[in-house]
Amino acid sequence: EAQVTQNPRYLITVTGKKLTVTCSQNMNHEYMSWYRQDPGLGLRQIYYSMNVEVTDKGDVPEGYKVSRKEKRNFPLILESPSPNQTSLYFCASSPRLISGNTIYFGEGSWLTVV
Amino acid sequence: QKEVEQNSGPLSVPEGAIASLNCTYSDRGSQSFFWYRQYSGKSPELIMFIYSNGDKEDGRFTAQLNKASQYVSLLIRDSQPSDSATYLCAASLRGTGRRALTFGSGTRLQVQP
Repeated sequence: EAQVTQNPRYLITVTGKKLTVTCSQNMNHEYMSWYRQDPGLGLRQIYYSMNVEVTDKGDVPEGYKVSRKEKRNFPLILESPSPNQTSLYFCASSPRLISGNTIYFGEGSWLTVV
Repeated sequence: QKEVEQNSGPLSVPEGAIASLNCTYSDRGSQSFFWYRQYSGKSPELIMFIYSNGDKEDGRFTAQLNKASQYVSLLIRDSQPSDSATYLCAASLRGTGRRALTFGSGTRLQVQP
């Protein structure tokens, strides 16, 4: 089954404690991306990757890091989380950069930073 | 100015009515437009996409695009309570733009039984 898997799905953490949200896709997609979703602001892109070892900033990259060492994995790293990073996070993948009709979203990760 | 704008709603319609959801975009380079439906706490799911001016129909859904006016809409005929959700409009840039999709903030639709 084609899917994008995120973990953890739910996490409450404390300010400053490093955390990683993993994302894995089994469709051999080149393009992967992270979004955060906040009330009234819609989905905003954090980082994206066009292929292995190729990553770039989206609209709201501050406070986040990513890596793309393997095609299937695209973890999101919060080195020192702060309360303003409390949000719903989605990982997404696509065969090509411009393929909205084939963007696959993960189920989302609810992150609370206290 | 937001690149993709939507009225946040809620838009309330009675069951069986036509729901009309609207979206405007600022970048004339936008080439493809998408409507996603998102239930509370769930991931977005694609309803329709449209590339060309005019209407595109798929079942109860019709997407309308007017590039001259930079306007895209989604009509839902015979609205059902199960259509109650937030509808996200998204646009993509042609070529190798850095983003796959730019999303609007969404319109919440409520279909009253």
